[in-house]
Amino acid sequence: KAGVTQTPRYLIKTRGQQVTLSCSPISGHRSVSWYQQTPGQGLQFLFEYFSETQRNKGNFPGRFSGRQFSNSRSEMNVSTLELGDSALYLCASSLVPGTTYEQYFGPGTRLTVT
Amino acid sequence: GQQVMQIPQYQHVQEGEDFTTYCNSSTTLSNIQWYKQRPGGHPVFLIQLVKSGEVKKQKRLTFQFGEAKKNSSLHITATQTTDVGTYFCAGPSFRGGSNYKLTFGKGTLLTVNP
Repeated sequence: KAGVTQTPRYLIKTRGQQVTLSCSPISGHRSVSWYQQTPGQGLQFLFEYFSETQRNKGNFPGRFSGRQFSNSRSEMNVSTLELGDSALYLCASSLVPGTTYEQYFGPGTRLTVT
Repeated sequence: GQQVMQIPQYQHVQEGEDFTTYCNSSTTLSNIQWYKQRPGGHPVFLIQLVKSGEVKKQKRLTFQFGEAKKNSSLHITATQTTDVGTYFCAGPSFRGGSNYKLTFGKGTLLTVNP
């Protein structure tokens, strides 16, 4: 079974621009979560989607948004990029939402904002 | 909000030595998960503990969940170079109803000298 895929793998953007990242979950997985990973803050939860609905949201500004499509694929968007948005963005999928389901992470998208 | 603390932040050992990382939550956890992230890689699920006082073993890895379900540990016996990576614990924090997020500790980076 194919794992979680994320595109693009690397991205360089300029301050003020916007970016869209894509995530395809493992086949059959319907829940997708997004995380931001930085050396200083570690892994921080952004949001979780299930059945095209955002179920949970972390403590990030409104510049961070996402959506999920009917095939469970998900995208996240960051508008008006800031230097501090440079990070590894990880997507994780699980069968369904819930705290007892293991999450399968994708390889991540490395975003650099200059 | 809930905090998940991990110690130590870094641990360097000689191959063959044992290693332990500790995870402490500010609140009682319904369950705790452990992940491993190799350098340049993404987090990979290792195990989940649910019951108070639970102990699980995976070959040289031993995972424990405290009696009060507020702390956990991961012990590796006779480390090998393949054990190199960052080990994260993660626990759910609930914010009412089904609203929750998975809170990750900052992780313990293990390096092994061959």
